[in-house]
Amino acid sequence: DGGITQSPKYLFRKEGQNVTLSCEQNLNHDAMYWYRQDPGQGLRLIYYSQIVNDFQKGDIAEGYSVSREKKESFPLTVTSAQKNPTAFYLCASRTNQGVNTEAFFGQGTRLTVV
Amino acid sequence: DAKTTQPNSMESNEEEPVHLPCNHSTISGTDYIHWYRQLPSQGPEYVIHGLTSNVNNRMASLAIAEDRKSSTLILHRATLRDAAVYYCILTNYGGSQGNLIFGKGTKLSVKP
Repeated sequence: DGGITQSPKYLFRKEGQNVTLSCEQNLNHDAMYWYRQDPGQGLRLIYYSQIVNDFQKGDIAEGYSVSREKKESFPLTVTSAQKNPTAFYLCASRTNQGVNTEAFFGQGTRLTVV
Repeated sequence: DAKTTQPNSMESNEEEPVHLPCNHSTISGTDYIHWYRQLPSQGPEYVIHGLTSNVNNRMASLAIAEDRKSSTLILHRATLRDAAVYYCILTNYGGSQGNLIFGKGTKLSVKP
């Protein structure tokens, strides 16, 4: 079955540590996205990539980094520079063939800093 | 960026129709209107999208005003499983304008 997979589902991190969230898709989509969601809020765009080896900052990129070495994978690293990393993180993918296409979301990773 | 305005919350009774409104007065001629919904602790899922004409699919209908400054998502018979946050989003072709920019959405509660 085609889809988009995020792992792990829950992640705990100590303050000062970097942590990497995984996002893999087998939908052959060109574009991939990372969003952050805080309780009771909508999704905010962290980074996006429209093609392999290229990515752009979204609205809240500070304290995060990404890579896009393969079409299928778009990992997000939450660095120690992110002051308030506890949140629900969502990855999405979408074909780049115009904007009348739907995005597919993973089930999310809930990150907690302890 | 084109933006949308939605009520924070709405309530419905089970098996009754639900009309979820969205205002997008600054919409441009090439903006598509997308709707997604998010169940608790899950990623959003696509519901429907349209440009100018009304659209129907197995999940819902999308009614778009003639001037395109507003739209309405219609759930014909609400079920308990439809309780979710519904997001109305505009997207345009090219660069960052093709991204999905989410607002806070409308939280729909369905009463049995």
